[in-house]
Amino acid sequence: QSMLTQPPSVSAAPGQKVTISCSGSSSNIGNNYVSWYQQLPGTAPKLLIYDNNKRPSGIPDRFSGSKSGTSATLGITGLQTGDEADYYCATWDTSLSGGVFGGGTKLTVL
Amino acid sequence: EVQLVESGGGLVRPGGSLRLSCAASGFSFSSFGMNWVRQAPGKGLEWVSSITGIADYLFYADSVKGRFTISRDNAKNSLYLQLNSLRVEDTAVYYCAREIPVVTVPAKNLDYWGQGTPVTVSS
Repeated sequence: QSMLTQPPSVSAAPGQKVTISCSGSSSNIGNNYVSWYQQLPGTAPKLLIYDNNKRPSGIPDRFSGSKSGTSATLGITGLQTGDEADYYCATWDTSLSGGVFGGGTKLTVL
Repeated sequence: EVQLVESGGGLVRPGGSLRLSCAASGFSFSSFGMNWVRQAPGKGLEWVSSITGIADYLFYADSVKGRFTISRDNAKNSLYLQLNSLRVEDTAVYYCAREIPVVTVPAKNLDYWGQGTPVTVSS
């Protein structure tokens, strides 16, 4: 059971927008920065968002991140079939003194 | 170009040991904390362990504490994970990942990942 809760799956049509939620607590999301990762089938995870809402070089602005209280959200606009992947949130947990990942969300672009 | 290449995975019996390595290149290795993250077959990502740039702080997930040991050799630009007392549930692909330095607020920002090395624990 992960400390961070994500919906198992989300879906939307090409060109539409989707959001993926990540719910935690004051010991993790509430007081620390959140990052988001995309994992395409058979590949290593890729950093999409760090420090709640910053994008690494090369990540298109279709991807955005936000945080409010003990929850974080990944937004993806202009959905493409190539966005079909598993998405994970992560942060530091101060009580555990360790990193924590969400359970992952599978995005289907219909 | 930043590169991380893991090696050392394989098939091992329950109770056995294995040493994973991660060879880093393309950046100042000693300036970055490093992490191990694993993924069991068909499952999500699980953070395993991390080590600061000069190895003054080590952190472990509860699931591996006392059995796994993280270390690094900055002269060889290499990260290691010693896996002892292996269990069937340790079966996973093990990734090494570089961590963006924390300035003020704690985080787990992993900006570069290796391709992973598979570990299978089975009798």
